[in-house]
Amino acid sequence: GDSVTQMEGPVTLSEEAFLTINCTYTATGYPSLFWYVQYPGEGLQLLLKATKADDKGSNKGFEATYRKETTSFHLEKGSVQVSDSAVYFCALSESVRGGADGLTFGKGTHLIIQP
Amino acid sequence: NAGVTQTPKFRVLKTGQSMTLLCAQDMNHEYMYWYRQDPGMGLRLIHYSVGEGTTAKGEVPDGYNVSRLKKQNFLLGLESAAPSQTSVYFCASRPGGAATDTQYFGPGTRLTVL
Repeated sequence: GDSVTQMEGPVTLSEEAFLTINCTYTATGYPSLFWYVQYPGEGLQLLLKATKADDKGSNKGFEATYRKETTSFHLEKGSVQVSDSAVYFCALSESVRGGADGLTFGKGTHLIIQP
Repeated sequence: NAGVTQTPKFRVLKTGQSMTLLCAQDMNHEYMYWYRQDPGMGLRLIHYSVGEGTTAKGEVPDGYNVSRLKKQNFLLGLESAAPSQTSVYFCASRPGGAATDTQYFGPGTRLTVL
């Protein structure tokens, strides 16, 4: 079945540091890829997504590129802020049946940014 | 615009008690989902619905039942709660039809079963 593997944390960085959170996936079809973010005490919200190979999703200074050849969707940000502290989830949606049967999530990466 | 709302926000049950979690969305979405979130496990799909009157099992359906009598509501029931069902439950919805669609999540319900 489908699966998503992402680096587990916590990942602790200083403010203005460069961020990379690795995400790789296995899928039987041609998935869409997502990064969701969960701030403390809240639900998940979409950070960015990419729907085909070589697409780059971007939002709030975060970027991720859909790499079909390496089955990866790594999240990057050039200069993190304390407000970026949260849990980040990589997820995929299978194209089969229009992705009706939900998202497959990684286990989440807890990011802590220190001033 | 309320988006996806969940009721209640917190609940404590004793083993064997029953309860129903309510999810409501005002975006006229076709698809709705129930997930549970456990430490170190990410989110796992419990049940989902692709339209009013339809439901299907997800990855971890045992011990739960669901109903989608109205398009805007998706109910998750626990008939006889067990400590293993202590978790944070998230409801989500999306327009439907394309795997590229974004899912929108509610704020979650934190359930403790003693």
